Amino acid sequence: DIQMTQSPSSLSASVGDRVTITCQASLDITNYLNWYQQKPGKAPKLLISAASNLETGVPSRFSGSGSGTDFTFTISSLQPEDIATYYCQQYDTLYTFGQGTKLEIK
Amino acid sequence: QVQLVESGGGVVQPGRSLRLSCAASGFTFSSYGIHWVRQAPGKGLEWVAVIWYDGSIKYYAESVKGRFTISRDNSKNTVHLQMNSLRAEDTAVYHCARDQGAGLDHWGQGTLVTVSS
Repeated sequence: DIQMTQSPSSLSASVGDRVTITCQASLDITNYLNWYQQKPGKAPKLLISAASNLETGVPSRFSGSGSGTDFTFTISSLQPEDIATYYCQQYDTLYTFGQGTKLEIK
Repeated sequence: QVQLVESGGGVVQPGRSLRLSCAASGFTFSSYGIHWVRQAPGKGLEWVAVIWYDGSIKYYAESVKGRFTISRDNSKNTVHLQMNSLRAEDTAVYHCARDQGAGLDHWGQGTLVTVSS
């Protein structure tokens, strides 16, 4: 099985800050990596597919990068509505989610 | 608009069975794979199973292999998850989600399964 190690597990930042979350795969997954946002009591929402493709309608302050085993998710300027838990997910071999990063406003 | 609606959750004793359903609308159902993803209370997302658009291929997480079975009826735009030999650790909200080919782009709100004596 491919394991996904996501860090940090929680993060506190101020409005306007640049926020970065990392995800490391236990094996090379090329670019088969997605990022999701989940707000409390809601279903997850796909933000970025194939490591760096921004889904339609997702604000441009969200971005993703990386390939192989190391990936990064960035919010360029944190907004209050971005408070959520973020998950990475690989789909190279079956499907595995990272353990999540809970983002809070400082 | 694309909609996925889960049903069939509830409280069940350990060792018993439950069948979840996912009713889809607003898109050409027979063209998309469908996943089940679960989330235990206060925990992260766990992928459970996927069925290909035509039902020809199915994959399962190790934690449910041999106990859960995914199926679909393209004439009724429905996917099912038959869950047998349920355990306490299967307690979770179960979501179905559409596979766009590079990500799960639409999700249902989920149905809660509680395994408890």
